[in-house]
Amino acid sequence: QKEVEQDPGPLSVPEGAIVSLNCTYSNSAFQYFMWYRQYSRKGPELLMYTYSSGNKEDGRFTAQVDKSSKYISLFIRDSQPSDSATYLCAMTIGGSARQLTFGSGTQLTVLP
Amino acid sequence: SQTIHQWPATLVQPVGSPLSLECTVEGTSNPNLYWYRQAAGRGLQLLFYSVGIGQISSEVPQNLSASRPQDRQFILSSKKLLLSDSGFYLCAWSRDSGLRGYTFGSGTRLTVV
Repeated sequence: QKEVEQDPGPLSVPEGAIVSLNCTYSNSAFQYFMWYRQYSRKGPELLMYTYSSGNKEDGRFTAQVDKSSKYISLFIRDSQPSDSATYLCAMTIGGSARQLTFGSGTQLTVLP
Repeated sequence: SQTIHQWPATLVQPVGSPLSLECTVEGTSNPNLYWYRQAAGRGLQLLFYSVGIGQISSEVPQNLSASRPQDRQFILSSKKLLLSDSGFYLCAWSRDSGLRGYTFGSGTRLTVV
């Protein structure tokens, strides 16, 4: 079993839809959670990071962490064609940890 | 502001040839540096990380090596490339232990033929 599981998709939605991207994990010690966006042939860019459980909102993006269920989500409101990319979740224990554990990524296409 | 440079963007090399990929970071000092390989549908695999000059930790035994000759320079090398070394290589940096995420370079697409 992988430490972090992420549905690879591909996921296609019409422009303006609400998108839900999810990851589950097995290590209850994870405390810091991140979402990255990666456009084709580019490096991943950090979208959001959160600590422990709860919600964090940034514009059209909302990150949600449920540590009791070991489940994290990224919601995209009013999705745009420019949101078409692969989204990767990542997480780490914290403290002296120097390694992020990544999900395999979900490929999203927003159709105009 | 901090920037990370990685080159070349694409590379086609014959089997058995050497490899050198370079990564530099600007605008910060004593960064943690990382080399990742990304295979289609398999996510990011950490290859090496470094917390200081000359300090390299290897995560996966393989045909590759890394060096950090200067504070903001990280090099990925191979003496003899294998077909299985093909992939998308990413350099990244972070402050401290990277609790707020990493900043990635634009990547190198390596094809070994």
